[in-house]
Amino acid sequence: RKEVEQDPGPFNVPEGATVAFNCTYSNSASQSFFWYRQDCRKEPKLLMSVYSSGNEDGRFTAQLNRASQYISLLIRDSKLSDSATYLCVVNPGYSSASKIIFGSGTRLSIRP
Amino acid sequence: DAGITQSPRHKVTETGTPVTLRCHQTENHRYMYWYRQDPGHGLRLIHYSYGVKDTDKGEVSDGYSVSRSKTEDFLLTLESATSSQTSVYFCAISDRRGGTDTQYFGPGTRLTVL
Repeated sequence: RKEVEQDPGPFNVPEGATVAFNCTYSNSASQSFFWYRQDCRKEPKLLMSVYSSGNEDGRFTAQLNRASQYISLLIRDSKLSDSATYLCVVNPGYSSASKIIFGSGTRLSIRP
Repeated sequence: DAGITQSPRHKVTETGTPVTLRCHQTENHRYMYWYRQDPGHGLRLIHYSYGVKDTDKGEVSDGYSVSRSKTEDFLLTLESATSSQTSVYFCAISDRRGGTDTQYFGPGTRLTVL
């Protein structure tokens, strides 16, 4: 079993739709969680951190469920510019020395 | 913008030749990382550094070495490149602003080994 698993997609949704991704992780002691966005042939960029209480940034909402060991990302009112690959990232420890683990990514394509 | 640059951005080389990739940062971050990204594997850690002359291996370190003689520069060397090392290489730094260690990436180097 992979340490971080994501549905690779692709998710193909119309503009304006709501779309949700889940990501599961295997290490129950994992400490911090993130969603990154990666455009084609570009570097991953931090989209948002994920907190136990859930957090929202505009049209994006991230949730953490420690009991079931998954994190989710919800995108409301999707835009064409949201088309990208979304990476789930898990830090198993507390510090920069912890070797963070990347999911393989979920591809999202927004159609007009 | 985390002030990270990588050079070269693209390189084509032949099997058996040595290759060095450079990562440069301008914000005095202590931790720096080298990853490779391949289809179906996601990002995998090659080596990382936690200070000048302090480095450690990641999960895919075989065939790679690193050096960090200055805080701002982290070099990745392929002593004798192989076709399996064809990949996109990303450098990253760790930043603790906001209380959580968060990684930020350079623009990447696309390496092709023929």
